[in-house]
Amino acid sequence: GAVVSQHPSRVICKSGTSVKIECRSLDFQATTMFWYRQFPKQSLMLMATSNEGSKATYEQGVEKDKFLINHASLTLSTLTVTSAHPEDSSFYICSARVIPGDSYGYTFGSGTRLTVV
Amino acid sequence: EDQVTQSPEALRLQEGESSSLNCSYTVSGLRGLFWYRQDPGKGPEFLFTLYSAGEEKEKERLKATLTKKESFLHITAPKPEDSATYLCAVQETSGSRLTFGEGTQLTVNP
Repeated sequence: GAVVSQHPSRVICKSGTSVKIECRSLDFQATTMFWYRQFPKQSLMLMATSNEGSKATYEQGVEKDKFLINHASLTLSTLTVTSAHPEDSSFYICSARVIPGDSYGYTFGSGTRLTVV
Repeated sequence: EDQVTQSPEALRLQEGESSSLNCSYTVSGLRGLFWYRQDPGKGPEFLFTLYSAGEEKEKERLKATLTKKESFLHITAPKPEDSATYLCAVQETSGSRLTFGEGTQLTVNP
């Protein structure tokens, strides 16, 4: 089946530094990828939608200059949290849309736990 | 705006005690309703996609059903390993994004 690999699974960084999270589709081409964040005991909140070769579309309230998304190839999307602060600590999850998108319409990575100290 | 409401927020069952989780939704046009299982510290794991009212799908102890307003995830004779958070999400016909509910945290005691 369609597999999305997300790295790293955990990262701790100092306040003010930047962190890059990678999301790779292993056995299919993902023209569209999604980035979510999830706070404890809460559901997934969509941050942005990225399409290969074009600029990402950010959800309302998400700072595009803080959360940089690059989708340069059909198998790789990256999320860079720039100048991270403790309030950015969260669980970040990527998802890829599987075309033609029937039973495996959306498959998710295993998530990245970001802790900013 | 799409809305997805799941109930109950949390559910505790004894092993073997069957029950149902509810997902109520409001969407302008439904392309698909998705059920996922999420274990702590992990990404969601796909369970089912339902496309039209009246559709049912089964996988082991789980059965998902769909009406025009809600979906149910029935769990028959659950086991402790079924303990997880179950998420419901909808995709409307005009877009590709998913809107998630808050989830139901299921605990099955041995």
